[in-house]
Amino acid sequence: DAKTTQPTSMDCAEGRAANLPCNHSTISGNEYVYWYRQIHSQGPQYIIHGLKNNETNEMASLIITEDRKSSTLILPHATLRDTAVYYCIALLTTSGTYKYIFGTGTRLKVLA
Amino acid sequence: NAGVTQTPKFQVLKTGQSMTLQCAQDMNHNSMYWYRQDPGMGLRLIYYSASEGTTDKGEVPNGYNVSRLNKREFSLRLESAAPSQTSVYFCATTTTGLGNEKLFFGSGTQLSVL
Repeated sequence: DAKTTQPTSMDCAEGRAANLPCNHSTISGNEYVYWYRQIHSQGPQYIIHGLKNNETNEMASLIITEDRKSSTLILPHATLRDTAVYYCIALLTTSGTYKYIFGTGTRLKVLA
Repeated sequence: NAGVTQTPKFQVLKTGQSMTLQCAQDMNHNSMYWYRQDPGMGLRLIYYSASEGTTDKGEVPNGYNVSRLNKREFSLRLESAAPSQTSVYFCATTTTGLGNEKLFFGSGTQLSVL
């Protein structure tokens, strides 16, 4: 099973880049890396995902190592509203269907 | 479009009572999921349904049953509620569940079992 490991918590100064790491050393070649975040007790919100190449969208950038054993989510200019729990997702496959398994997440606190 | 709708939003049960949590989506998605989130913890997958008529166990299925009534609806039933099932329950959907789609979540059901 592809498991993820993330730091429990991180702090980041407002306006600086937040770099959130994730280890997924057992991920297989055709499994995607996903990132979600959860603000307070709301339902998680999609941020970004990727397979092999680095990805960027309006919210963040995703850097995946060449061996795909780890990735980093980058919030380029963190704001107070980015304070949330960030989840790196491992995708487990069974009979061609993907089960989205969440790790424990990283609690990011953006400091004023 | 409402997206993913969960009912009820809040529920208090006594130990041993039964209830069904409802989830409906109007996004025409194939795959649906039920998660639970205990206070201060991450989300854990209870059951999922890849398509209408199919269901599979997730990480923590004990004490729960599910029904994929049709493409739109995926219900979660607690036959005999226990205090350990006090949690926030989230329903989620994706288009095909084949690894390249986003999960869309409902707003959650907060359940307390006394």
